[in-house]
Amino acid sequence: EPEVTQTPSHQVTQMGQEVILRCVPISNHLYFYWYRQILGQKVEFLVSFYNNEISEKSEIFDDQFSVERPDGSNFTLKIRSTKLEDSAMYFCASSETGGSRTGELFFGEGSRLTVL
Amino acid sequence: KNEVEQSPQNLTAQEGEFITINCSYSVGISALHWLQQHPGGGIVSLFMLSSGKKKHGRLIATINIQEKHSSLHITASHPRDSAVYICAVSFYGQNFVFGPGTRLSVLP
Repeated sequence: EPEVTQTPSHQVTQMGQEVILRCVPISNHLYFYWYRQILGQKVEFLVSFYNNEISEKSEIFDDQFSVERPDGSNFTLKIRSTKLEDSAMYFCASSETGGSRTGELFFGEGSRLTVL
Repeated sequence: KNEVEQSPQNLTAQEGEFITINCSYSVGISALHWLQQHPGGGIVSLFMLSSGKKKHGRLIATINIQEKHSSLHITASHPRDSAVYICAVSFYGQNFVFGPGTRLSVLP
């Protein structure tokens, strides 16, 4: 069964460092998403991506964050100058359809980021 | 502001019990998803529905568009059903808003 894969599964970094989280969405999916879940809190939307550009972003997704699809398979989330409060589980997801007709979401296993 | 609420927050059941988890939302939606988050953190999509009812194995999901309410039912619950169940709603043209989750523990 096709799946979304994320790397790394866990990353520990020092405050102020840059982090890149990687995702390989399901191959025929066109819509990609990053979500964040701070420990003990609910999942929060960060950004959606379609046709090689951001289609929507939340107020959390400020200039510290960026997303990129560097090739035909990878989808990355870059966090610059990490802060303690960036510590969270970051989930990548993909879907075949999106916008107002978003289809079933397929999630990766998540990347746990710990900022020290 | 588009809000999603769930009840109960926590639920403990005995194996075999029938379980209901509720989700309510504030404004019209294009779709509602029920998700299961495993103890290790991974998230799996259980259902996506915009009207009516869906069934998959022991799981049943219903939605009432007029009342802005959805329920997830688990029949003959089992300890392996222990997880956090999350309702996520897609408001027209916008991305998902997630509920706070319901933590279910099924005891043997």
